[in-house]
Parts: sequence; structure tokens; C-alpha cells
Amino acid sequence: RKEVEQDPGPFNVPEGATVAFNCTYSNSASQSFFWYRQDCRKEPKLLMSVYSSGNEDGRFTAQLNRASQYISLLIRDSKLSDSATYLCVVNWPYGGSQGNLIFGKGTKLSVKP
Amino acid sequence: NAGVTQTPKFRVLKTGQSMTLLCAQDMNHEYMYWYRQDPGMGLRLIHYSVGEGTTAKGEVPDGYNVSRLKKQNFLLGLESAAPSQTSVYFCASSYGHTYQETQYFGPGTRLLVL
Repeated sequence: RKEVEQDPGPFNVPEGATVAFNCTYSNSASQSFFWYRQDCRKEPKLLMSVYSSGNEDGRFTAQLNRASQYISLLIRDSKLSDSATYLCVVNWPYGGSQGNLIFGKGTKLSVKP
Repeated sequence: NAGVTQTPKFRVLKTGQSMTLLCAQDMNHEYMYWYRQDPGMGLRLIHYSVGEGTTAKGEVPDGYNVSRLKKQNFLLGLESAAPSQTSVYFCASSYGHTYQETQYFGPGTRLLVL
């Protein structure tokens, strides 16, 4: 069974807070990892790819732990505009190919003034 | 660039009716995808295409057909709509290999089947 698991939340945090989301995946052969952001009633948009060494983009930091098969997203200094649902996305290899992307159900973040 | 566009934005169907959802992209992408998104579920892949004239089944293909006659267009058809097909449908496209490339999504089509 294809599984990408996320805590659905919601995470309610005040502006300026630091918040972290985790995601676990069940296919040890997965090679590509992403965080997408989806605003209410809008389409998903790529937030950042997740690399083995970890990567940072401004206030956002993504980490990958292959041994434990989990991915994390850290948001520092939260802004009201960060309120959205964050989707963990993993490729699902099969039959010698890298397969398609599997989307988690998302973690909802609400940043309050 | 318009990116990925979808037509229509919203539609109500009666059970048994048919319809076609149109997706168009102007980024010269090879890969195109159709997903559905239901409450409490992640996005699920219906069908995808790795190039003009090719299509392949995704995770939940039953009840849907697709065609990719032109590189820029990917059509999703429902031959006989069922209430279980009530959902938000997203089209996406990507330049290269599925697992490496960013997927760009259209704004979605909300479909209600009565």
C-alpha cells in the first residue's frame, strides 16, 4: 500500500512562532521528496524540494532522514501568509521505474495575529 | 504565460451524463497528469501522459478516459458520471521525468455529480 503519512493538524500558531511538520513514507526505494503548499480552494504549488543533505530557503528548512523514512519542514518566524495546507510528496518506484508522485493528505497551518 | 489552464471551472452533472475536462499548458511540457482531490484524501493520480499520443493509467483510472492528441492539451473524459466522481480535478504538467521535476498545477475543476 502506498503510504505518505502526515499529521493533519490543524497547527494553530501565533505570528513569529517556529513550527515543524513531519511526514513519513513507507517505500524505502523512494528517491524524490517535496513539500507543496496548497491554499484554501487553490491548486498545489511547489514550496521546496528536499535533498539528502537538507536544504533551506529563507525561513523554510527541509530535512530528510532516509534511515527512518521521514521528512520534515521547519518554518521560522511564521507569517500570516504562511497559513495554508502543506503537502508532503514522495515518488513511488515500481517495476524498475521511478514511478509517479504520491501526495500526503496534508498538514493544515493557521497563523494567528 | 498562462501556465496550466483548466476548463470548465465548475460543473454539475446528473448521474449517467458524460463530460470532458480540458487541460491546456503553454510551457512546452512533455508530461501531463490528471488528479482528483477528495476531502480527507491526498491527491490521487487518475491518468498521465509522457508525451503527445501516449497515455497511462494512474492509481484510480476506473470510470475515466484520457487523450493527448496535442502536446499542449490533455483531456479527461467521464463517459457515465457517478456520484462517486464528485471531486475537485486538478491537471498538472512537468518538463521532464516525473520524480525529478516540479509539477505545475492548473486551478482545478469542481465537479458535482447528482
